[in-house]
Amino acid sequence: KNEVEQSPQNLTAQEGEFITINCSYSVGISALHWLQQHPGGGIVSLFMLSSGKKKHGRLIATINIQEKHSSLHITASHPRDSAVYICAVRSIGSGGGADGLTFGKGTHLIIQP
Amino acid sequence: NAGVTQTPKFQVLKTGQSMTLQCAQDMNHEYMSWYRQDPGMGLRLIHYSVGAGITDQGEVPNGYNVSRSTTEDFPLRLLSAAPSQTSVYFCASSYSARQGGGYTFGSGTRLTVV
Repeated sequence: KNEVEQSPQNLTAQEGEFITINCSYSVGISALHWLQQHPGGGIVSLFMLSSGKKKHGRLIATINIQEKHSSLHITASHPRDSAVYICAVRSIGSGGGADGLTFGKGTHLIIQP
Repeated sequence: NAGVTQTPKFQVLKTGQSMTLQCAQDMNHEYMSWYRQDPGMGLRLIHYSVGAGITDQGEVPNGYNVSRSTTEDFPLRLLSAAPSQTSVYFCASSYSARQGGGYTFGSGTRLTVV
């Protein structure tokens, strides 16, 4: 069974701080997703990664396939970044959509002004 | 372009009642899926579909049925609601079942079974 572990579970930081959220998984994957869920519940896809690094605005996502680990970084954090950040993986062998995504439990981030 | 539309947003059911959660996408996505989100747990896959006429079970399928008669629609049916089905339900779609791709999520349905 593929496990997806995120750390930390909860993170409170001051505006402007550099934020790192970590995700580890246990099996081979074809892709890793980072999602954002705001209060009110909507889920937005931030990144899909299969290797290397991606950047969008103040958000940076990296993945190390050999170590089965990914990180999501937020630079110059802002209160509007407060949300739950969710890591999800698509296992190898899901081509055909067999298993969909396996999700971590999420990291609850609060950025204080 | 509406993306993924879920209805209703909120629903209260009595134990034993049935209902259908609707999910529609207008992006011609091949892959559609239903997840439930419970406190302290990650989202869990209920059922998925890799195309019209093709559905399969996910991690927690018991108590739920699905069908995919068109590419656009993927309704989730609760045949006899139970309190354990109180949850937030999300529908999601992706362009290709084989190649994966980014997922688009609906806004969710908050279901309470009393």
